[in-house]
Amino acid sequence: RKEVEQDPGPFNVPEGATVAFNCTYSNSASQSFFWYRQDCRKEPKLLMSVYSSGNEDGRFTAQLNRASQYISLLIRDSKLSDSATYLCVVNISGDMRFGAGTRLTVKP
Amino acid sequence: NAGVTQTPKFQVLKTGQSMTLQCAQDMNHNSMYWYRQDPGMGLRLIYYSASEGTTDKGEVPNGYNVSRLNKREFSLRLESAAPSQTSVYFCASKVLDVAGNTIYFGEGSWLTVV
Repeated sequence: RKEVEQDPGPFNVPEGATVAFNCTYSNSASQSFFWYRQDCRKEPKLLMSVYSSGNEDGRFTAQLNRASQYISLLIRDSKLSDSATYLCVVNISGDMRFGAGTRLTVKP
Repeated sequence: NAGVTQTPKFQVLKTGQSMTLQCAQDMNHNSMYWYRQDPGMGLRLIYYSASEGTTDKGEVPNGYNVSRLNKREFSLRLESAAPSQTSVYFCASKVLDVAGNTIYFGEGSWLTVV
């Protein structure tokens, strides 16, 4: 079993739609959690950290469920520019483990 | 701000050739990393260096060597390239912090071994 698992997608949604991604992790000692965004043929970049209480950044909402060991990312009012691959990242004592990513395409 | 700079961006090698990927960061980070990214596999850690003078194996170290030349630079060497090493390679750095901090990536190096 992979340490960090994500639905690879692709998710194809129309502009304005709400889309949610889930990620599960296997190591209960995981300490912190992140979502990264990766555009085609580019490097990953931090989208947002994920806090236990849940956190929001504009149209993006991240949630963490430690008991069930999963993380989610919700994108509201999708824009064309949201098209990318979203990587779930789990930190275990400084060792960052990446999911394979979920690909999102937002269409006009 | 340059951030993390890696070279070359593209390289084609013949099986058995050697090459070194160079990486430098100007953010005064202690920790540096080399990842490879393959379709459907996500980013896999090859080697990392928690601080200057130390290096450790990651998830997929076979066929690679690294050198932490100084705090800024961390190079990855393929001694005898194999087609299985065709991949995109990312260098990254971050502050050494067990709580986890933002990890910054270079733009990637596309390597093809024929």
